[in-house]
Amino acid sequence: QSVLTQPPSVSGAPGQRVTISCTGSSSNIGAGYDVHWYQQLPGTAPKLLIYGNTNRPSGVPDRFSGSKSGTSASLAITGLQAEDEADYYCQSYDSSLSGHVVFGGGTKVTVL
Amino acid sequence: QVQLVQSGTEVKKPGASVKVSCKASGYRFTNYGFSWVRQAPGQGLEWMGTISAYTGNTNYAQKLQGRVTMTTDTSTNTAYMELRSLRSDDTAVYYCARDNGSGTYYYWGQGTLVTVSS
Repeated sequence: QSVLTQPPSVSGAPGQRVTISCTGSSSNIGAGYDVHWYQQLPGTAPKLLIYGNTNRPSGVPDRFSGSKSGTSASLAITGLQAEDEADYYCQSYDSSLSGHVVFGGGTKVTVL
Repeated sequence: QVQLVQSGTEVKKPGASVKVSCKASGYRFTNYGFSWVRQAPGQGLEWMGTISAYTGNTNYAQKLQGRVTMTTDTSTNTAYMELRSLRSDDTAVYYCARDNGSGTYYYWGQGTLVTVSS
């Protein structure tokens, strides 16, 4: 199992708001390491969605937002659209693993 | 524009080795590192390790220590990932990603499918 825990799936109707949690521990998110989020469409490479907990790269719609508190982080998608149906991964560092990068297990977002 | 172009699909037998390349363009090669991330069929992302293109220093995932070697060639702006003693559970798509030092992967290669099968 992954060091960072995500729900396997979330779903919502078009226009709704969904959130994806990423739960870690005191050796990763709780230690102050930044959390990044990636979106992966089927058959394609991951795409950086949120970096440094809350920042959006140029070109990412403001429907996507990130937050972090304590040992957890969250990705919110507001105004859900059909094109948002994808897998989403959180990523951070873990000090117990010699500063290794760790990913969450991924969350499949389904637009109903 | 930044591009990372990876080598093509590989089919290997158990026990063999594979070396995947990642050719970078559109930026100063030694200003960034590379991380390698793999994804088994239907599974999530797994970080394999990171190499600095400037120093050549590496940091490998513990589970792959001893089987993986990452290198860079500054004359061709290419990063390499070699995995030895391949097993069936090494079957995956292997991605290179440009590492800006903070673990943020903005640019990714297109992925290389490595199939390990007898």
